[in-house]
Amino acid sequence: GENVEQHPSTLSVQEGDSAVIKCTYSDSASNYFPWYKQELGKGPQLIIDIRSNVGEKKDQRIAVTLNKTAKHFSLHITETQPEDSAVYFCAASMATGGFKTIFGAGTRLFVKA
Amino acid sequence: DAMVIQNPRYQVTQFGKPVTLSCSQTLNHNVMYWYQQKSSQAPKLLFHYYDKDFNNEADTPDNFQSRRPNTSFCFLDIRSPGLGDAAMYLCATSRGEGGKNIQYFGAGTRLSVL
Repeated sequence: GENVEQHPSTLSVQEGDSAVIKCTYSDSASNYFPWYKQELGKGPQLIIDIRSNVGEKKDQRIAVTLNKTAKHFSLHITETQPEDSAVYFCAASMATGGFKTIFGAGTRLFVKA
Repeated sequence: DAMVIQNPRYQVTQFGKPVTLSCSQTLNHNVMYWYQQKSSQAPKLLFHYYDKDFNNEADTPDNFQSRRPNTSFCFLDIRSPGLGDAAMYLCATSRGEGGKNIQYFGAGTRLSVL
């Protein structure tokens, strides 16, 4: 089955710096890659997603890149702010095989003011 | 306004005492999911419903059951909770579109087992 690996598990950056979180997936049939942000005491919320027919997508300070050949995708946060501090999960799913989404183990991001 | 609502937010039960967690949605989504999330780990899918069709994950223990009486509500029943079942339980919904399965999560129920 699909496996998603996520690195690093913890990331600490200074306010204003960039943060990059990387994921790899195993099943080449996966074609949809969402990123979720989970704040303390809350459920995960979608922040950005990318489909396999696109290499890059940007939404203000966040961007996601996808390398289908290498089965890598990454989240980039620029000009980090303290409110970006949270746990970030990457995930992979496919159009066929039901509605199952496989999550990475998560990255705890600390943004120091 | 919350669109996926989980009750209660915190639940304490005794070892072996059945417990039910509830989830409701105002999104009219076809699919509802239950995840178990332990500290510093990824959410782990237990099962999901597509409409009334129940889909159990192969490694979900028999101790965990689910009911979906209508589109809006879904319940997670833990028949005999063990200490290892203490976790955050997340409910999520999605439209059921195969190409872009955006999931909307509730705030979760944190279960403690004494």
